[in-house]
Amino acid sequence: AQTVTQSQPEMSVQEAETVTLSCTYDTSESDYYLFWYKQPPSRQMILVIRQEAYKQQNATENRFSVNFQKAAKSFSLKISDSQLGDAAMYFCAYFNNNDMRFGAGTRLTVKP
Amino acid sequence: DVKVTQSSRYLVKRTGEKVFLECVQDMDHENMFWYRQDPGLGLRLIYFSYDVKMKEKGDIPEGYSVSREKKERFSLILESASTNQTSMYLCASSPGEMAGIWHFGDGTRLSIL
Repeated sequence: AQTVTQSQPEMSVQEAETVTLSCTYDTSESDYYLFWYKQPPSRQMILVIRQEAYKQQNATENRFSVNFQKAAKSFSLKISDSQLGDAAMYFCAYFNNNDMRFGAGTRLTVKP
Repeated sequence: DVKVTQSSRYLVKRTGEKVFLECVQDMDHENMFWYRQDPGLGLRLIYFSYDVKMKEKGDIPEGYSVSREKKERFSLILESASTNQTSMYLCASSPGEMAGIWHFGDGTRLSIL
């Protein structure tokens, strides 16, 4: 089965600075999707960004961008100009054939 | 706006009780899923369903069952609750196509005493 690894259980960043969350995954498939989800204390899982494996260009959504390295099976999330509202659990997820696999999560703290 | 509604935000039950967690979605999605979320383990798939009256086991189905009598409703059943089932439970739904965006409920934090 595919596995998703987030090696940083906790991260912290100063407000307005940049932070990168790491994610690696294991798969033998060539066509799949990767996601970053945010879960604030309200518990709602919010889609942050999505990357299609066949696209070489890294996805970007406003202050959020990814570094997708397909050969290395790496999918990191960069948050620029961090805001207090970015504080949350972040989950990396791998998706293929209706099967979604999640990493263990990284808790991000934003310091004012 | 897509809505996935879980019937309870918090629930406290006793060991041995039969527990029902309900999930309803309003987007006519074919697929529905139940996950449990534990610290350090992320989300683990318990059961999923691709259609009415259809169910498939996920990675950790032991001690659980599900029911999908109507397309919009997917119920998770703890047949005889045990303390190791204390957890957060998340329901999700998605349309059938591969690129579909998943929608999650707000979770039920279940405590088994």
